[in-house]
Amino acid sequence: DVKVTQSSRYLVKRTGEKVFLECVQDMDHENMFWYRQDPGLGLRLIYFSYDVKMKEKGDIPEGYSVSREKKERFSLILESASTNQTSMYLCASSPRVWSTEAFFGQGTRLTVV
Amino acid sequence: QKEVEQDPGPLSVPEGAIVSLNCTYSNSAFQYFMWYRQYSRKGPELLMYTYSSGNKEDGRFTAQVDKSSKYISLFIRDSQPSDSATYLCAMSADPGTYKYIFGTGTRLKVLA
Repeated sequence: DVKVTQSSRYLVKRTGEKVFLECVQDMDHENMFWYRQDPGLGLRLIYFSYDVKMKEKGDIPEGYSVSREKKERFSLILESASTNQTSMYLCASSPRVWSTEAFFGQGTRLTVV
Repeated sequence: QKEVEQDPGPLSVPEGAIVSLNCTYSNSAFQYFMWYRQYSRKGPELLMYTYSSGNKEDGRFTAQVDKSSKYISLFIRDSQPSDSATYLCAMSADPGTYKYIFGTGTRLKVLA
């Protein structure tokens, strides 16, 4: 019954490292999203993709980039990890825009030291 | 002022209690409201969806929207320990948007 899978549950990286967070969905959804979740700030949209190779910036794209080479896979890239990027990262997919049929992955807790 | 405000809790209640979880918002254009449940170390999952004002019921859960007060609620009847989770509200003005504004979540503990 797996729908959205994130490659890692926990990651610890060093400041300055390039970090890849991978997300795969098996529902043939057009749209995929990356959020970060922080205490007191809730879920904030980093990037979304509405088609292969297409992307749009969300509310907090600074310090991040994304890649979507295949429909089922959406990667979040931290070009040079910093301690303020320590957070829970959530991937989601949806058949169209954001909908009641959107599903989240289980999250990746990233710690940058 | 945040667009969506939600008390972080934790809210602790005994098993069987009626739970009321709430969000207030500032944008009067919001019409589409969702409630998500997030268990510890898991991603959020959709519980309820409502459009505009009124009530919607699904089993032990009732979602209520009061647009005049810019206030939405999620009621849980006969609460169970398995309801212990963080509950997030989300809302938007446009069903065709990619962006829903999420609340910060309220942590609920139901004590056996």
